Amino acid sequence: DSGVTQTPKHLITATGQRVTLRCSPRSGDLSVYWYQQSLDQGLQFLIQYYNGEERAKGNILERFSAQQFPDLHSELNLSSLELGDSALYFCASSVEGGRSNTEAFFGQGTRLTVV
Amino acid sequence: AQTVTQSQPEMSVQEAETVTLSCTYDTSESNYYLFWYKQPPSRQMILVIRQEAYKQQNATENRFSVNFQKAAKSFSLKISDSQLGDTAMYFCAFTLQGGSEKLVFGKGTKLTVNP
Repeated sequence: DSGVTQTPKHLITATGQRVTLRCSPRSGDLSVYWYQQSLDQGLQFLIQYYNGEERAKGNILERFSAQQFPDLHSELNLSSLELGDSALYFCASSVEGGRSNTEAFFGQGTRLTVV
Repeated sequence: AQTVTQSQPEMSVQEAETVTLSCTYDTSESNYYLFWYKQPPSRQMILVIRQEAYKQQNATENRFSVNFQKAAKSFSLKISDSQLGDTAMYFCAFTLQGGSEKLVFGKGTKLTVNP
């Protein structure tokens, strides 16, 4: 168990809908990262938050947004869902953002299926 | 932009034998970190081994070791005495030092250990 908790584990929804994925980082970790794993694109970095502030942005679609709350949990909001958004969404956390000698711990992911 | 290439989509090895997974990367930076992650059927992303670019000595973690060739931008993973539990997807990943810890992943190599 990495200590990073993601809910829900599985989600099935229809095209055009909106969903929220939740991530609770390890105790003491200030940074949260979101990654998308799909068959065609592989593992891609979406966005990073550090202590409530956006720190870095990757290939995140405009239909997607995220935030990190004062208790450091994070939510990834996906709207106007398309079939191509079906993927495994990972959250990872680390103690500090910007010091690469700290390991990023991954949650077990949320499997999103858009039908 | 940094890229990571894993040229072997699938590999197989007999139990107790040794296997080497290949990874090359491209960057113009001199300070960075390289990682191998394992993703078993449980989907959990597990850090196997980490290498700091400024260290000439190859990293080793029990049965796992790397061959890091900085000039060639090559970072291969050697698994000795392969075990059935090593069956998984293996991802090579890269991150710059000192910035966001966002990881750039390769497409992965599916390793099967046969009894």
